[in-house]
Amino acid sequence: QVQLQQSGPGLVKPSETLSLTCTVSGDSLNGKYWSWVRQPPGKGLEWIGYIYGSERTNYNPSLENRVTISADTSKNQVSLKLRSVTAADTAVYYCARENQLGRTAKLYFDSWAQGTLVTVFS
Amino acid sequence: EIVLTQSPATLSLSPGERATLSCRASQSVSNYLAWYQQKPGQAPRLLIYDASNRATGVPARFSGSGIGTDFTLTIRSLEPEDFAIYYCQQRFTWPPITFGQGTRLEIK
Repeated sequence: QVQLQQSGPGLVKPSETLSLTCTVSGDSLNGKYWSWVRQPPGKGLEWIGYIYGSERTNYNPSLENRVTISADTSKNQVSLKLRSVTAADTAVYYCARENQLGRTAKLYFDSWAQGTLVTVFS
Repeated sequence: EIVLTQSPATLSLSPGERATLSCRASQSVSNYLAWYQQKPGQAPRLLIYDASNRATGVPARFSGSGIGTDFTLTIRSLEPEDFAIYYCQQRFTWPPITFGQGTRLEIK
């Protein structure tokens, strides 16, 4: 059974870089999509981007000029970096696995980490 | 970008009643739609995929329907643990993958 465990600081200063890591156990990064999703306090879910395996990435156009998602297959970890943060980036950040489900093998978020509240605070 | 609009924003019902939640897409997503349940302080949980298929371990009282632009999540007889926020999500056209703004299901 896959487990996703997040780590990283809960406080970041404005204009600095938010960095979070998601350690995966029970599955390999290879051949899977690993996403980051965030949720501002009291609001809905926003997809940030994904990495496929360890190389191919795709980002939300609203964030792509500030975000980098990378992977370390030796540690089975996926990382998120969000640069030049402001108060608007305060949110709970989740990493999640997309898995192929059903006869047509479409992709859905079937496993999620516990989430990390990151507050941008000076 | 495909916008998903959920209604109502809040639904107040009693245990045992039937809940009907709606999700409308700004353009067709075929059946590439999922529903998630989120309880306070928890990550979302996949309930329904491909618009109508229950994920592993999801009780039979949850059902999904729809295709194209109009989708419905039905909870047949509400249990106390069903009161939560529900989100729909599409991946038919991306980036970005998008979510609806959520429907809060609260106890009346």
